[in-house]
Amino acid sequence: GAGVSQTPSNKVTEKGKYVELRCDPISGHTALYWYRQSLGQGPEFLIYFQGTGAADDSGLPNDRFFAVRPEGSVSTLKIQRTERGDSAVYLCASSPLGQETQYFGPGTRLLVL
Amino acid sequence: GIQVEQSPPDLILQEGANSTLRCNFSDSVNNLQWFHQNPWGQLINLFYIPSGTKQNGRLSATTVATERYSLLYISSSQTTDSGVYFCAVDTGGFKTIFGAGTRLFVKA
Repeated sequence: GAGVSQTPSNKVTEKGKYVELRCDPISGHTALYWYRQSLGQGPEFLIYFQGTGAADDSGLPNDRFFAVRPEGSVSTLKIQRTERGDSAVYLCASSPLGQETQYFGPGTRLLVL
Repeated sequence: GIQVEQSPPDLILQEGANSTLRCNFSDSVNNLQWFHQNPWGQLINLFYIPSGTKQNGRLSATTVATERYSLLYISSSQTTDSGVYFCAVDTGGFKTIFGAGTRLFVKA
């Protein structure tokens, strides 16, 4: 079946602009994770959803970052007033119930100029 | 918070060689996963292994939870094994912590 998909695959924006990154999890997976990966480092946890609710958002770096999952399927990561330091690959993963094998999407490469 | 350390940081192998990658963690964990990130950036789950031993083809993994480490064994390495291997843990919540990875290059 279809895996996790993320759009866009690449995004270039200017400092101060607003961006939205989309994640389509595997159908039926209730758990959804967002991570950020900088060059040469491991993925860094941002937020975890169980269904529609954010069960753990402790990894969001500041209040410019926000994520939603209104219908318990597709999720959108929103970044306001982007900064050059936000440049990274943003990864999404899903799992059937949580605390299990995570299946990752291909990522969105964000570059803030 | 929990610390996850992976060793070695870099590894170069001749095709056909065997290797062992190590993951140490500083606290008790509820879950542990091994991932392979290929040169195109895709993360693939290799093992979900909070304890015990599992094998999948040329790969196997062992987690000794009481001693806070996990090992990933790669036998008869192939050039397609190149990439970065990550260990990732959680301590009972849903916040998953990744190590810095082991970068593997397999020479033909």
